[in-house]
Amino acid sequence: GENVEQHPSTLSVQEGDSAVIKCTYSDSASNYFPWYKQELGKRPQLIIDIRSNVGEKKDQRIAVTLNKTAKHFSLHITETQPEDSAVYFCAASLGGTSYGKLTFGQGTILTVHP
Amino acid sequence: DTGVSQDPRHKITKRGQNVTFRCDPISEHNRLYWYRQTLGQGPEFLTYFQNEAQLEKSRLLSDRFSAERPKGSFSTLEIQRTEQGDSAMYLCASSLSPYNEQFFGPGTRLTVL
Repeated sequence: GENVEQHPSTLSVQEGDSAVIKCTYSDSASNYFPWYKQELGKRPQLIIDIRSNVGEKKDQRIAVTLNKTAKHFSLHITETQPEDSAVYFCAASLGGTSYGKLTFGQGTILTVHP
Repeated sequence: DTGVSQDPRHKITKRGQNVTFRCDPISEHNRLYWYRQTLGQGPEFLTYFQNEAQLEKSRLLSDRFSAERPKGSFSTLEIQRTEQGDSAMYLCASSLSPYNEQFFGPGTRLTVL
């Protein structure tokens, strides 16, 4: 089955700096890659996603890049703010009948210091 | 609240007891997923439904776990003969189709004593 590795497990930045979280996946048939933000005690919420026919996607301060050849994708947050502090999870989904079944990474605890 | 809801939010049980959780997806969402999340880990896929049909069940899931979605609306997840290792947050998510965003519920936190 699919396996997703996420790094780093913790990331600490100063407000205004950029943060980058990286994930690798094992199954080349994966074609959908969402990123979720989970605040303490709350449900995961989708912040951005990318499909395999696109190399990069941006939404205001958040961007995701995908390298299908290397089987890795990254989340980039620019101009970080204290409210960005949370746990971030990457995920991957296979195509076909398994489309939508998500395999998650282990998570990255992001702390943004004011 | 038109989001995904789950009931109960917390469940404490003794080892060996059976427990049942309920998930109400967003109206008209055809896909419904169950995940399990332990502290410090990402959600782990358990099973999912397309309408009332259960399409896949994780190989990691023992036969003590069963899920239903009888009318293609709400779903239940039952764990029989609970073990301490079953302690976790059980998350439900729904989506309009396989290709749409999954919206998560607040989860049911299970503690097995």
